[in-house]
Amino acid sequence: ETGVTQSPTHLIKTRGQQVTLRCSSQSGHNTVSWYQQALGQGPQFIFQYYREEENGRGNFPPRFSGLQFPNYSSELNVNALELDDSALYLCASSRGEGSGGYNEQFFGPGTRLTVL
Amino acid sequence: RKEVEQDPGPFNVPEGATVAFNCTYSNSASQSFFWYRQDCRKEPKLLMSVYSSGNEDGRFTAQLNRASQYISLLIRDSKLSDSATYLCAAQAGYSTLTFGKGTMLLVSP
Repeated sequence: ETGVTQSPTHLIKTRGQQVTLRCSSQSGHNTVSWYQQALGQGPQFIFQYYREEENGRGNFPPRFSGLQFPNYSSELNVNALELDDSALYLCASSRGEGSGGYNEQFFGPGTRLTVL
Repeated sequence: RKEVEQDPGPFNVPEGATVAFNCTYSNSASQSFFWYRQDCRKEPKLLMSVYSSGNEDGRFTAQLNRASQYISLLIRDSKLSDSATYLCAAQAGYSTLTFGKGTMLLVSP
């Protein structure tokens, strides 16, 4: 196991609602990246947090926002949910910049979000 | 053109066979490459990292060709448990991983 945890595992929401997903990174990792994986697709990068600051963002609208806490855990918030937001949301932790060496990302089990 | 492209498959092979997947990338700034294995409705699990010309781990061998911008994954002596989707990812710097759609492998008895 990677030591990366996510909660909740499953969530059902209706259009227009807001959702918060949570991720705890692996011990020793200071960077958390969030990805959205729709059915039949590869994971798509949403954003990355390094030392509590956003450190890169993919092609997602501002209603996708996030936070990273001093213990390096992270939240992904999605406002005004749309049907197309239904997907598996994955967080990945890594050692990040300045760590030297390689920067492999290790994924948590994901949160499966269904928007009705 | 997609940044990372993979043949979606499925690749159907018998147990014991050797199978190879290719993955092409378009961002010449990509420096690190990864193969992940993903089982149905589960998270991707890191299989191999490729930073130089290649890497080998038991039955798995990854090769990187920077001139042609592709990475390959070779699986020897396929097992039933190798059945999964194999995701290729490219990374520039320490930031985002850009994934392909994945290649499905089905190993049959």
